Order: sequence, then C-alpha cells, then structure tokens
Amino acid sequence: KAGVTQTPRYLIKTRGQQVTLSCSPISGHRSVSWYQQTPGQGLQFLFEYFSETQRNKGNFPGRFSGRQFSNSRSEMNVSTLELGDSALYLCASSLGEENQPQHFGDGTRLSIL
Amino acid sequence: AQSVTQLGSHVSVSEGALVLLRCNYSSSVPPYLFWYVQYPNQGLQLLLKYTSAATLVKGINGFEAEFKKSETSFHLTKPSAHMSDAAEYFCAVSAPNVGSKIIFGSGTRLSIRP
Repeated sequence: KAGVTQTPRYLIKTRGQQVTLSCSPISGHRSVSWYQQTPGQGLQFLFEYFSETQRNKGNFPGRFSGRQFSNSRSEMNVSTLELGDSALYLCASSLGEENQPQHFGDGTRLSIL
Repeated sequence: AQSVTQLGSHVSVSEGALVLLRCNYSSSVPPYLFWYVQYPNQGLQLLLKYTSAATLVKGINGFEAEFKKSETSFHLTKPSAHMSDAAEYFCAVSAPNVGSKIIFGSGTRLSIRP
C-alpha cells in the first residue's frame, strides 16, 4: 500500500510569492491534515480536510489555505510569502475517525529567500 | 482543550540502557494519546497509540507506554536502547469530537551514546 506522497520535496521561493504544495493520501483515507514544523514553534496544526470540506482549522492567517479534491488529494496554498513561512510542511492522512492515527508524508521543505 | 508537555528537550542514554521519555497531558475529556518518531529529513511515524483499551500499550521497535490517569502521564519506555533509536520523539493528544486534529508536544531528541 503506497504511503502519503508529498510534492515537491524541496522548494525555494522569494518573499511576496505564492506557493502550492500537494499531498496524495493513502488509498481509502478521507481525511488530510496539514502541519507546519519549525525549530522555534515545533509542530503546529494548520487545517484538516475531510470529504472535500474543511473540518478543523488552526491559528494561522488567511494567507494559508487549502482544499481537497474528490479523490481525497489535497493542496495547500500560501500567498504573499514571508521569511517566517520557511518550514517543513507535513501532510498526514487518516480514515477520519477521531481515534485513528495519522500517517505522515516526508514533507515539503519550503525555504523563503 | 487538550495539550501535552514533554519534559526534556534532549535525552541522552548509553546503548543498551533504559530509555524513558516523559509526557504529561491535559484534557477535559478522556484523551487519545500517541507517540510518534521522526528521523532526519522524514515525516512522522506512529510508534503506538492509547485509546482506552489497555493502559499498557506496546508499539513498534520495542517501545511501550503506560497511561496513568492519576498522574496524567503517558511516558514512553524501551528496556534497551539501540543506536538506531536516535531520533526525535513526539507525544500527541487528540480527543472526541475534534476529527483528526492532533496536538503535538514540543518533542524530545533522543541521542544514543556508544
């Protein structure tokens, strides 16, 4: 069974640009969650999508947005990039029930110059 | 609201020694608790989870954790450390009615001395 796939693995952007990250969940998983990981703030929850609807949202500004497609694949978009957006962005998928563990991809490392 | 506190950002043990990584949780409802491990340049991998079926939970790679409600703790242990255990470990909590949202602790980096 293929794991969670995130593309691209590495990305370099400049301030003010926008970026789109992609996540393909494990087959059959309907929930996709996104996390931002930085040395200073650790792992922070961005949002969760379930059946194409945003089900949970963390405390990030509106520049961070996402969507989920009918095949459960998800994209995350960050607009007007800031230096502080440099981070490892992790995607996780699960069946969607609350006690189910999440399966993580290897992440996209985003660097802002 | 749920939260977890991991005591010790860095733990160093000798190869073959006991590994003990501490985690305390806060939750207004019976929690779901998880331990994840992250190796360099990789995502997180589930070690084990607690969902109220048993207080002692066995996971992969010889790790186990014990849920102690009276102490609000969920410490991770392994009897004998191996060099390959060097990684960052995250305790995490979820709860009913929050979907798949998980709150992570700040992580503990485990180093193994030869």
